[in-house]
Amino acid sequence: AQSVSQHNHHVILSEAASLELGCNYSYGGTVNLFWYVQYPGQHLQLLLKYFSGDPLVKGIKGFEAEFIKSKFSFNLRKPSVQWSDTAEYFCAVAFMNRDDKIIFGKGTRLHILP
Amino acid sequence: GAVVSQHPSRVICKSGTSVKIECRSLDFQATTMFWYRQFPKQSLMLMATSNEGSKATYEQGVEKDKFLINHASLTLSTLTVTSAHPEDSSFYICSVPRGLSTDTQYFGPGTRLTVL
Repeated sequence: AQSVSQHNHHVILSEAASLELGCNYSYGGTVNLFWYVQYPGQHLQLLLKYFSGDPLVKGIKGFEAEFIKSKFSFNLRKPSVQWSDTAEYFCAVAFMNRDDKIIFGKGTRLHILP
Repeated sequence: GAVVSQHPSRVICKSGTSVKIECRSLDFQATTMFWYRQFPKQSLMLMATSNEGSKATYEQGVEKDKFLINHASLTLSTLTVTSAHPEDSSFYICSVPRGLSTDTQYFGPGTRLTVL
């Protein structure tokens, strides 16, 4: 069965540190990949997405993610985090040829220390 | 285990009929639930916020008379797509805040609606 896993449930970093949040999925077919962010008190916001093409995707606010098909991974990165990046981050995978079913990871809560 | 369920997981209906989708929180009570919609090859779109004891709050561009939301209890919200048309075919997913705030959420498994 398809699944999405985010390895880190809670991450604490200092400002200017580099960030990498892991996301893996299980499915051998075609996928569309998303990272969403939810800031405190707000709704989901799309950070970036991958459908096809260059596996290195750049999103808003300095975030990027790399799709590594052989590893079934879509890790989110940011070279230097800011206090304002404190939020919860969700990886989501749309499994094509499966009614485009989308499954969310359980989320990673990121806390940036000022 | 799952903390948010949706029923049905998949529904096919004829144009002009109405379809009800349920979202249940299994382990906790929620005064607020969120309904999202995803079109193929697009990102998730927030449709509305379901509020227990009061009217739902709809996002701009979402027809409240077409997408009826009822927060029937602290564990159940329903989304009814009235007079469905093929363009309503989509993947509908609900989410439930994890705590008293909306800081983080549990997502339901989603419902695939196909309108013929």
